[in-house]
Amino acid sequence: DAKTTQPPSMDCAEGRAANLPCNHSTISGNEYVYWYRQIHSQGPQYIIHGLKNNETNEMASLIITEDRKSSTLILPHATLRDTAVYYCIVRVATGYSTLTFGKGTMLLVSP
Amino acid sequence: EPEVTQTPSHQVTQMGQEVILRCVPISNHLYFYWYRQILGQKVEFLVSFYNNEISEKSEIFDDQFSVERPDGSNFTLKIRSTKLEDSAMYFCASSVSSGAGGPVYNEQFFGPGTRLTVL
Repeated sequence: DAKTTQPPSMDCAEGRAANLPCNHSTISGNEYVYWYRQIHSQGPQYIIHGLKNNETNEMASLIITEDRKSSTLILPHATLRDTAVYYCIVRVATGYSTLTFGKGTMLLVSP
Repeated sequence: EPEVTQTPSHQVTQMGQEVILRCVPISNHLYFYWYRQILGQKVEFLVSFYNNEISEKSEIFDDQFSVERPDGSNFTLKIRSTKLEDSAMYFCASSVSSGAGGPVYNEQFFGPGTRLTVL
């Protein structure tokens, strides 16, 4: 799986959009970008994934650059409950491909 | 909404003892996983399980570890002789394949974890 690079930490004011970047310059054509988050010591939680088109669901939006070498996870209106470590993972979406977690970005949402 | 459950939430054991961590995956899922996270460190993959056999395992998953799906609902991780360095959060996860012909969306759904403390 391709390697990803994320900033170690970010701050965001409650109610504002949180934009979390991820670089994955060695991504292959058949690899998807997945985002998970982990709220303090809880199990990781799936957020969103995409191949090359921008994606949106009830939790977040995922913007993938045209060359697919980077992406941004957007939490449109961050709340205190969004304080967590966010992981960007690039992987082939086969039936049992594993998740390789890096250190992620610690997002702190403040009042 | 269906969820992965794990028991116990916290297990304390003496070094050298056997422990069994239990998981109930989401009922229609086909793939099962164990991950662990030592305090302050990254989440690490241990093993994946499909069709009643191990699909993939990491270097961490040595002979001291085993997995089993003893019935149609439970998925267990056994550590035969625990060591101090086995102290960690252990997460179970499950996922489902969309089947042949199309892309397989492999979102893994994680349980809340079991905190294992080895004394």
